[in-house]
Amino acid sequence: SSELTQDPAVSVALGQTVRITCQGDSLRSYYASWYQQKPGQAPVLVIYGKNNRPSGIPDRFSGSSSGNTASLTITGAQAEDEADYYCNSRDSSGNLEVFGGGTKLTVL
Amino acid sequence: EVQLVESGGGLVKPGGSLRLSCAASGFTFSSYSMNWVRQAPGKGLEWVSSISSSSSYIYYADSVKGRFTISRDNAKNSLYLQMNSLRAEDTAVYYCASGVYYGSGSYFDWGQGTLVTVSS
Repeated sequence: SSELTQDPAVSVALGQTVRITCQGDSLRSYYASWYQQKPGQAPVLVIYGKNNRPSGIPDRFSGSSSGNTASLTITGAQAEDEADYYCNSRDSSGNLEVFGGGTKLTVL
Repeated sequence: EVQLVESGGGLVKPGGSLRLSCAASGFTFSSYSMNWVRQAPGKGLEWVSSISSSSSYIYYADSVKGRFTISRDNAKNSLYLQMNSLRAEDTAVYYCASGVYYGSGSYFDWGQGTLVTVSS
């Protein structure tokens, strides 16, 4: 199995740019997907693959990857972006799924 | 539009059993791998199990292996999770998630979840 590591908490001033990172060995072989979760709600996919946004996700959300690290960037963070963000990928075997521990984003 | 509706959650005593169901609509269920993901109160997401479109490949997290069984009925567009020998640490919201797998990645579409509480 493998693990994905995220910073537990990150803050950003309204309108500024924030990067949320996810580290893990499996990210050398597999893309991460990113999910936004607000209190009491199910996760919502915001980024998948190299840098793909599902329909309805604002273009201020973008993704990137280098080596064993995947990143989710929010350019011009809005108050409604305050949420928990989780990364996910397959594990190194390619058979199992693994989630990062989540990052709580606070928009100041 | 993908719709996934979980049911079957509730309160169960330690050592007991529960069967979760997930009704799928809005996509060709029989073509997609399916997953169960859970979230303990105040905690992060934990992948539990996956099943391929034809049930040929089934995988479990170590934390549930030997106690939980995933299955599906493509004729009924339904996914199931039989949970036996339940423990307090299995208390969580259980999400049904359809999996899209491509080359070097995957992603999920999610249901709204069903709460399982294991307590005496």
